[in-house]
Amino acid sequence: DAKTTQPTSMDCAEGRAANLPCNHSTISGNEYVYWYRQIHSQGPQYIIHGLKNNETNEMASLIITEDRKSSTLILPHATLRDTAVYYCIVRVRSGAGSYQLTFGKGTKLSVIP
Amino acid sequence: EPEVTQTPSHQVTQMGQEVILRCVPISNHLYFYWYRQILGQKVEFLVSFYNNEISEKSEIFDDQFSVERPDGSNFTLKIRSTKLEDSAMYFCASSRSGPRGANEKLFFGSGTQLSVL
Repeated sequence: DAKTTQPTSMDCAEGRAANLPCNHSTISGNEYVYWYRQIHSQGPQYIIHGLKNNETNEMASLIITEDRKSSTLILPHATLRDTAVYYCIVRVRSGAGSYQLTFGKGTKLSVIP
Repeated sequence: EPEVTQTPSHQVTQMGQEVILRCVPISNHLYFYWYRQILGQKVEFLVSFYNNEISEKSEIFDDQFSVERPDGSNFTLKIRSTKLEDSAMYFCASSRSGPRGANEKLFFGSGTQLSVL
């Protein structure tokens, strides 16, 4: 099953930074942390991923702790359109030898005007 | 920006009927997937497909399900005899680098809502 723990829900004021935490204390050395989001039953949308270094792209920043047991997704200036369920996923090697995306329940982020 | 396209957006069918859900993956992608999401539940993996064959499938993907890439652009999911519990949103996804690559990014379509009556 999913190897991550996330808060069920969070609120964030519009224009402020949204910081979404994720615990993955059993992560292995070669497993990546991925973040996806799902806006109101649309298809999941890739946001960012990383292994051990912090990452930034046009959507978000990903901060991974040095021991890799937790990470934080940062949306620097949240807008109403960022209201969604955010999934933190550790890609785990399946029995067939591939790395599958296993979605948990995620964090429902509500951006408030 | 290229995207995964799914048709139809909604499909209503009678129990026991066959349905085919269609997807057009991103054109230079080589790996294709189906996921589903029952209302209020998690997104679940069904099957992955590469080089014209199934790479991996979940326990959900039983003999009632099949996938096909009938031409160079379409990727389909067929449910042979639908059951009430097949009602769900079905998402197609594609990726360029595949599930054995650590840097794989999946791009999802907007889904087909299947309602079995």
